[in-house]
Amino acid sequence: QKEVEQNSGPLSVPEGAIASLNCTYSDRGSQSFFWYRQYSGKSPELIMSIYSNGDKEDGRFTAQLNKASQYVSLLIRDSQPSDSATYLCAVISRRDKIIFGKGTRLHILP
Amino acid sequence: DTAVSQTPKYLVTQMGNDKSIKCEQNLGHDTMYWYKQDSKKFLKIMFSYNNKELIINETVPNRFSPKSPDKAHLNLHINSLELGDSAVYFCASSQDFVEQYFGPGTRLTVT
Repeated sequence: QKEVEQNSGPLSVPEGAIASLNCTYSDRGSQSFFWYRQYSGKSPELIMSIYSNGDKEDGRFTAQLNKASQYVSLLIRDSQPSDSATYLCAVISRRDKIIFGKGTRLHILP
Repeated sequence: DTAVSQTPKYLVTQMGNDKSIKCEQNLGHDTMYWYKQDSKKFLKIMFSYNNKELIINETVPNRFSPKSPDKAHLNLHINSLELGDSAVYFCASSQDFVEQYFGPGTRLTVT
């Protein structure tokens, strides 16, 4: 099993709809979880971090963590064309090892 | 004022050459990192430095050597460049291993 898994996409979502991005991880002892956005040709940009089970909201973004299921997700409400990018899930394991998923390409359809 | 900066932005060189990439952060963070992002866009950590000590070395070839003259700088030196080294290299920094802030990247092309 890969350490951090994401569906590579592309995930196509109509403008104004909710985009749902998913990530699973293998190390049950992981404690820190992050979502980064990367536009083509640009560097990754942190958009959300989450450390405890449940939901964390920041503007149009909501991160959800379920440690029992080893699952973290990112919801983007009222999707905009500017949200089109690759979204990278990152997990810090119990050994302070950071691992990135391969990313999900999101395409918002105008 | 750029938080994490890297130079050069582009680097084209021939196989067998030695090159360096420089990174500086002005965020006061205690940990800096080097990542490699290959053509398939997979981002993989190469090194991290915390308080001038190497704390992670992700089995990269020993042709790659990080150098940290102080807490704000982490340079990457690469000896005997190979075709497979072609990639985008990102520097990043963080405080206490949490949220990371990335530099703009250096696109290395080895011919």
